[in-house]
Amino acid sequence: EPEVTQTPSHQVTQMGQEVILRCVPISNHLYFYWYRQILGQKVEFLVSFYNNEISEKSEIFDDQFSVERPDGSNFTLKIRSTKLEDSAMYFCASSWGQPDTEQYFGPGTRLTVT
Amino acid sequence: LAKTTQPISMDSYEGQEVNITCSHNNIATNDYITWYQQFPSQGPRFIIQGYKTKVTNEVASLFIPADRKSSTLSLPRVSLSDTAVYYCLVGDSNDYKLSFGAGTTVTVRA
Repeated sequence: EPEVTQTPSHQVTQMGQEVILRCVPISNHLYFYWYRQILGQKVEFLVSFYNNEISEKSEIFDDQFSVERPDGSNFTLKIRSTKLEDSAMYFCASSWGQPDTEQYFGPGTRLTVT
Repeated sequence: LAKTTQPISMDSYEGQEVNITCSHNNIATNDYITWYQQFPSQGPRFIIQGYKTKVTNEVASLFIPADRKSSTLSLPRVSLSDTAVYYCLVGDSNDYKLSFGAGTTVTVRA
């Protein structure tokens, strides 16, 4: 069964550093998403991406965040200057169709900011 | 966006049927009801989606009454591996994001 993959599984960085989280969505999917989950809290939407542009973003997704699909397979989330409160699990997801279709989530990247 | 309310937790035993009811009193005409499952340290996984009446797949059944103000996810004959958090979500095709609440933590005991 096709699956979404994410690298790295765990990233430790110092406050103020830039991090790039990588995702490989399912190959025929057209919609891509990033979510995060702070330990013990609910899953929060960050951003959706379709047709090479952001289609929707949340209040969390401020100027520190950016997304990119640099080639036909990868989808990245960049955090320019990490803060302690950015520590969380970051999940990438993809879907083939409009948002009411099933979203397939990756295993997540655990980001720890020290 | 329709607000959902579901129990915080439920306990069950192996082999039993688990029914989780979600309230969504202000569901809109175009809204679908979707359930996701999440194991610890993993991403959510789609279980089932429906609009009205009953939907069944190899994992679960979803019952939606005519007024659509609630829905019930039914997990038949649960096993220990069904211990997870279950989320009820309501949204339409114009809403790109999935809005997760706190979910229902289902604990299955031997």
